[in-house]
Amino acid sequence: QVQLQESGPGLVKPSETLSLTCSVSGASISDYFWSWVRQPAGMGLEWLGRIIPSGSTNYNPSLKSRVTVSRDTSKNHFSLTLSSVTAADTAVYYCARWDQGGIKDWGQGTLVTVSS
Amino acid sequence: QSALTQPASVSGSPGQSITISCTGTNSDVGAYNFVSWYQQHPGKAPKRTIYEVSNRPSGVSYRLSGSKSGNTASLTISGLQAEDEADYYCSSYTTSSTLVFGGGTKLTVL
Repeated sequence: QVQLQESGPGLVKPSETLSLTCSVSGASISDYFWSWVRQPAGMGLEWLGRIIPSGSTNYNPSLKSRVTVSRDTSKNHFSLTLSSVTAADTAVYYCARWDQGGIKDWGQGTLVTVSS
Repeated sequence: QSALTQPASVSGSPGQSITISCTGTNSDVGAYNFVSWYQQHPGKAPKRTIYEVSNRPSGVSYRLSGSKSGNTASLTISGLQAEDEADYYCSSYTTSSTLVFGGGTKLTVL
């Protein structure tokens, strides 16, 4: 049973960088594909990016210039950074495991608010 | 990439069947059999209910089924129950090695 837990600041100032970490248990992050998804309040899901076993990454084209997904295999966690944030980046952020062409396992989500 | 197109809302009475459509393009839904469907109750994380167009994960009710024709995928829920009331999202893998979601459909059980 794979478990994922997001952690990071719940409040980020406009123009600064949002950073979140996803701690994984029950699986080695080196063996699977991992993703980040976000959901603004009352709105739909938006896929942000993924990192695959080789360490290569893919990103949502609409955010590609601002988003980075990375991993630390020694700590068995992966991370999200989103630069130059605005109020439009306020959302619940989910870390997730990608499998069979979609998202198989989800973290519980963490709310990040962008405000001064 | 543009979001997949889903109806904003559908409704049905207990015991009835409903179908939610998910329309994409030749670059996503039409390109691969990598369409998933997710159920999300208020305040909860999404839960995948269908993967690879028509496969049900262990523990998901047989009342949920998926299909695809061309660039449109569909989720059918038969024998509607109160517990089915939730938001439903589709997703598809794309030819750019990305994932795109639908805008979501609110299912109301009358």
